[in-house]
Amino acid sequence: KAGVTQTPRYLIKTRGQQVTLSCSPISGHRSVSWYQQTPGQGLQFLFEYFSETQRNKGNFPGRFSGRQFSNSRSEMNVSTLELGDSALYLCASSLIGLPNTGELFFGEGSRLTVL
Amino acid sequence: DAKTTQPPSMDCAEGRAANLPCNHSTISGNEYVYWYRQIHSQGPQYIIHGLKNNETNEMASLIITEDRKSSTLILPHATLRDTAVYYCIVRVDGSSNTGKLIFGQGTTLQVKP
Repeated sequence: KAGVTQTPRYLIKTRGQQVTLSCSPISGHRSVSWYQQTPGQGLQFLFEYFSETQRNKGNFPGRFSGRQFSNSRSEMNVSTLELGDSALYLCASSLIGLPNTGELFFGEGSRLTVL
Repeated sequence: DAKTTQPPSMDCAEGRAANLPCNHSTISGNEYVYWYRQIHSQGPQYIIHGLKNNETNEMASLIITEDRKSSTLILPHATLRDTAVYYCIVRVDGSSNTGKLIFGQGTTLQVKP
């Protein structure tokens, strides 16, 4: 079956702009999580959505937001972009309920460059 | 979730076993040990996880000490494609936090020919 799909794969924005990233989870997976990866901070958890509700949130400012649709697809938005937002943004999906091994399935990521 | 400590880097000869250690001395009784790896420019990939018994799958083996304060991931016959950053993560499993992982800095494993 198809894996986690993230779009776009690469994008360039300028400071002050906003960006929306999209994630389509594996079919049947209802939990979608987002992570930011930078050389300095490593992989950091942003937030998790399940059944269109945010149920976990990392330590990021309010400029970072997300949502999940009824088909489990998710989007994340970053407003008023800063240079430090340049990063690889990774989406992961997981199965809720049995069989649940606790395994997360990651996409290839969206690489954002802020100029 | 308990913190983990891993060596920043390790080398391994191709074809030999790679043994990656992880310390998690503050682990709680209900916390699992997970291992993920990230090959350059790709998303992390799940490898294996366990609670207290040793586990084995098609990718690797996980050995957890009896006191559960440390564990070792074993890649039995490392290949060049196993070159990656390996993350050891400890967390409580539950439906309310399925998607949340706290990554450390991991161990960069370099498999050499």
